[in-house]
Amino acid sequence: DAGVIQSPRHEVTEMGQEVTLRCKPISGHDYLFWYRQTMMRGLELLIYFNNNVPIDDSGMPEDRFSAKMPNASFSTLKIQPSEPRDSAVYFCASSFGTAGGTEAFFGQGTRLTVV
Amino acid sequence: AQSVTQPDIHITVSEGASLELRCNYSYGATPYLFWYVQSPGQGLQLLLKYFSGDTLVQGIKGFEAEFKRSQSSFNLRKPSVHWSDAAEYFCAVGDTGGFKTIFGAGTRLFVKA
Repeated sequence: DAGVIQSPRHEVTEMGQEVTLRCKPISGHDYLFWYRQTMMRGLELLIYFNNNVPIDDSGMPEDRFSAKMPNASFSTLKIQPSEPRDSAVYFCASSFGTAGGTEAFFGQGTRLTVV
Repeated sequence: AQSVTQPDIHITVSEGASLELRCNYSYGATPYLFWYVQSPGQGLQLLLKYFSGDTLVQGIKGFEAEFKRSQSSFNLRKPSVHWSDAAEYFCAVGDTGGFKTIFGAGTRLFVKA
C-alpha cells in the first residue's frame, strides 16, 4: 500500500477563499483522523471518523471548518472562508481499530498558507 | 481527560551520546502509549508503542522506552545517537474508549557533531 495520501502538499490561498484538503487512507483502515499542526498549538485533533461516520468533531475550531468522508477511501477537510490564522500543516491519519490505541499512519501533510 | 506532557521543548546531544526524552501522561486507566518521530517536512512515524506486559518496549531505529506507572512516565531512550536522529519526537496517549490519540507538544532533538 502507498500509505496515506494527502493532496495537495502545499496550498497558498487568499483570505476569504475556500480551501479543500484531500485524503486517501490506507485500504482496510476503518478510522480516519484529521490533525492540525502549528508552532503555537502543536498537534491538534480536529475530527475523526469510524467507518465513514464522524465520531468526534469537538476539535473543529469553527463552523468555517467542515469534514466529510463519502466513502472508505476518501475524505475532505474544507475551510470556508479561509483566514490567515488557519495557516498550518494539516495531517490526515488512518488506523485499523481492533482495540483502543492502535497505531495511526500519517500522511505527509498539506502545508496551508492563507495570505 | 487524558493528557501528555513533554517537559523539554528542545534537546541537544552530541553524536554518539546517549539520549533520554521525557514524557509524562495523565490517564485514569492503563494507558496506551506511543512515541512518534517527525522528520522535517514529513508526517509522523511510529517508533514504538506500549499496551501491556513488559514495561520496557523496544522500537525501531534502536529506540526503547520504559513505562513507569508509579511516575506516570514513558521516557524514550537511545544509547548512542546518530546525526540522522535529529527530528521532532512526540509522545502520545491513546483513548481506549474512542480510538483517538492525544499528542504531547513534542521535543525537538538537535544532534551536534
